Amino acid sequence: AQSVAQPEDQVNVAEGNPLTVKCTYSVSGNPYLFWYVQYPNRGLQFLLKYITGDNLVKGSYGFEAEFNKSQTSFHLKKPSALVSDSALYFCAVRVNTGGFKTIFGAGTRLFVKA
Amino acid sequence: KAGVTQTPRYLIKTRGQQVTLSCSPISGHRSVSWYQQTPGQGLQFLFEYFSETQRNKGNFPGRFSGRQFSNSRSEMNVSTLELGDSALYLCASSPWQGGNTIYFGEGSWLTVV
Repeated sequence: AQSVAQPEDQVNVAEGNPLTVKCTYSVSGNPYLFWYVQYPNRGLQFLLKYITGDNLVKGSYGFEAEFNKSQTSFHLKKPSALVSDSALYFCAVRVNTGGFKTIFGAGTRLFVKA
Repeated sequence: KAGVTQTPRYLIKTRGQQVTLSCSPISGHRSVSWYQQTPGQGLQFLFEYFSETQRNKGNFPGRFSGRQFSNSRSEMNVSTLELGDSALYLCASSPWQGGNTIYFGEGSWLTVV
């Protein structure tokens, strides 16, 4: 079965410190991987994606993610966290199961403390 | 360029009623997908439409249905509402069926009482 796992329900980090939100995936074939962020009472906003090419992908708001094929991971990172980064983060993979769909992880809530 | 627009944003329905939610995709986008978000189940895929045809469907009962019009706008319908249908319903669009990035609307909050 094709799936995405976010092993941490919550990540706490101090403002100014680096942050990592973890994601692992299980898909057949080459993965199309994504990160989205959701602020309270809002829809999901696209942050970044990996399709092919360089394993380090840069996205919006200073976020980046590293694709690691051997570890089947796609962790989200930011060198210096901001309080405004506090939100719910979703990792996702787009698959073709006779029709396309995007499968989301359970989400990781990020708290950045001032 | 306007984003994905969902209406209504908030609604309250009674058990047994039905509800129709609307989604207008980003201009030029032809693929629309729907997701249900609940605290317990997270984001669950409902269905995806392209060129007025349902291309993929998630594991939801037949009470959940949808359609897409020739202008790519989409509607989803839930009949015989149950309390457990209370959720945020999110619509997303992408340029084409295989188009990889999907862009979300703000969602429709449905409360069933």
